[in-house]
Amino acid sequence: DQQVKQNSPSLSVQEGRISILNCDYTNSMFDYFLWYKKYPAEGPTFLISISSIKDKNEDGRFTVFLNKSAKHLSLHIVPSQPGDSAVYFCAASEYSGGGADGLTFGKGTHLIIQP
Amino acid sequence: EPEVTQTPSHQVTQMGQEVILRCVPISNHLYFYWYRQILGQKVEFLVSFYNNEISEKSEIFDDQFSVERPDGSNFTLKIRSTKLEDSAMYFCASAQREQGAGAGYTFGSGTRLTVV
Repeated sequence: DQQVKQNSPSLSVQEGRISILNCDYTNSMFDYFLWYKKYPAEGPTFLISISSIKDKNEDGRFTVFLNKSAKHLSLHIVPSQPGDSAVYFCAASEYSGGGADGLTFGKGTHLIIQP
Repeated sequence: EPEVTQTPSHQVTQMGQEVILRCVPISNHLYFYWYRQILGQKVEFLVSFYNNEISEKSEIFDDQFSVERPDGSNFTLKIRSTKLEDSAMYFCASAQREQGAGAGYTFGSGTRLTVV
């Protein structure tokens, strides 16, 4: 039961170009989405998030786009840098409004930035 | 920068034994979580904890699992009788606010549990 899907296990991008990581979800109750980055032997690190009332959120080189009708979100990294090489997880939650919601993660996409 | 600290980094235990995984969340955070990642698979939610009680738990979090915040700084995950399939990386996380308010979690570096 994959409610959050990242269909590309890996992605290779040249340094300086744009990296686009995709994520699809099936649960229409999700209303909050996050991207995490993970290096080997470390825990995931929060990158950027977006609420379902928005369609875009930007933070420096990172922009997340949300298309609710398509149940699709994407993370754009421009320009890509060697330090961006990591596994990127898409995650989603249902905001209950009163409690501590668990996140549902995708399987991750391994981004490789080539010099 | 504040960190979530997990100990030990690696734990090997025999099947059937009890293990306790320890976490020190960020001091002013109010929401605490355990997740796990079996090798090659996705990160899975186990349990969330707020106001000294479990807020939400997944199907994975059965009677073999328990959590505790014994002293206001530590947050522990206990597995009573480990099984081979409990072998995974266990991540603790904490957050200052609920997810919907815009705060992402801060994760610890994880404890790799190996059940033999």
